[in-house]
Amino acid sequence: EPEVTQTPSHQVTQMGQEVILRCVPISNHLYFYWYRQILGQKVEFLVSFYNNEISEKSEIFDDQFSVERPDGSNFTLKIRSTKLEDSAMYFCASRGPISTNEKLFFGSGTQLSVL
Amino acid sequence: AQTVTQSQPEMSVQEAETVTLSCTYDTSESDYYLFWYKQPPSRQMILVIRQEAYKQQNATENRFSVNFQKAAKSFSLKISDSQLGDAAMYFCAYGIGSSNTGKLIFGQGTTLQVKP
Repeated sequence: EPEVTQTPSHQVTQMGQEVILRCVPISNHLYFYWYRQILGQKVEFLVSFYNNEISEKSEIFDDQFSVERPDGSNFTLKIRSTKLEDSAMYFCASRGPISTNEKLFFGSGTQLSVL
Repeated sequence: AQTVTQSQPEMSVQEAETVTLSCTYDTSESDYYLFWYKQPPSRQMILVIRQEAYKQQNATENRFSVNFQKAAKSFSLKISDSQLGDAAMYFCAYGIGSSNTGKLIFGQGTTLQVKP
């Protein structure tokens, strides 16, 4: 089965630093997502991305966050100035190419630790 | 706003027995989808089963089946012949069928322990 690939699997950073989390969605998918999961808590929606623009974002996705699909294959999440509370597992997901009703494929996640 | 509630933080089952995990949801939409995802210790999110709200027949996938009660807004997962590999956190999730974004809303999760 095709896979969504996320790198790195673990990222440690100092508070206030910028981080970029990278994802390679499945090649013919058109809908892309970032979710996050604080340890022991539920998975929370951050942002959805379609046709090179954000289609929906949650309250968590404030001005410190941005997403980009720079080259048609990678899909990145940038946190400009990390806070302690940004420590979480970040999941990339993709679906498509037909509709938003298709199966959602998740990557293995990037564990972000902010010190 | 749509919400998903899993009222059982933890459940346990004896190997080879059957266990049912509960999920309720709240929505005013008529076209939606419901999912159960499994998250083992590796924290990978694995789709277990999916149910379209317009279908009356309950979805089944091998040992996994659901009891979908649309009027009661209930969506429980039954695992038959439980195996040690079923031990994981299970998340119930909801998605709007007509959504132009396809986002999913997750419940809080239920940790399932399988005893040998």
